[in-house]
Amino acid sequence: DTAVSQTPKYLVTQMGNDKSIKCEQNLGHDTMYWYKQDSKKFLKIMFSYNNKELIINETVPNRFSPKSPDKAHLNLHINSLELGDSAVYFCASSLPRGSGNYEQYFGPGTRLTVT
Amino acid sequence: QKEVEQNSGPLSVPEGAIASLNCTYSDRGSQSFFWYRQYSGKSPELIMSIYSNGDKEDGRFTAQLNKASQYVSLLIRDSQPSDSATYLCAVNMWNTGFQKLVFGTGTRLLVSP
Repeated sequence: DTAVSQTPKYLVTQMGNDKSIKCEQNLGHDTMYWYKQDSKKFLKIMFSYNNKELIINETVPNRFSPKSPDKAHLNLHINSLELGDSAVYFCASSLPRGSGNYEQYFGPGTRLTVT
Repeated sequence: QKEVEQNSGPLSVPEGAIASLNCTYSDRGSQSFFWYRQYSGKSPELIMSIYSNGDKEDGRFTAQLNKASQYVSLLIRDSQPSDSATYLCAVNMWNTGFQKLVFGTGTRLLVSP
């Protein structure tokens, strides 16, 4: 199936730990994103990569470090996890600016719970 | 002023009625607008995109855009209980030459049988 996939789906961990979330898309898109949806369901962009290059960094704490090994993959590593990091993290992808199509497609999400 | 504003609801409509969801945005330069549906515990699903002023219809859904008023809406005709979800309005805003989607807080729609 063509889609955006994420692993793991659920992540429960303790404060101070380091964890990673992985994202892969097989839609042939060049641009990928990480979003955070908090407990009030507000969805906010964190990072965007275009063909492995970081293009948007929305003043996210530097404990969050995205990495894009190739344009089909975008991972998110979080150091020293805090209670406030508990949220659902969504990966998304889209065609690049020159395509004229700006639709973004979302992965299933990773629910992170920090205890 | 929030960048994208929606009434949080819930908006309650009976089955078969028309549901009307509204959204306003602050950036006059925005050119692309999207409606996503999100069921509880699921990811946002794109249901409509609109780029030009006027109406765009797709099945039971009609998106309406008025750039002069900075207003975009979604009409759902013949509403079904399965339409009960949160509807997120998203507006494309440019950031140093690249797009970012800014979302509203969503309107919760409840369709009663």
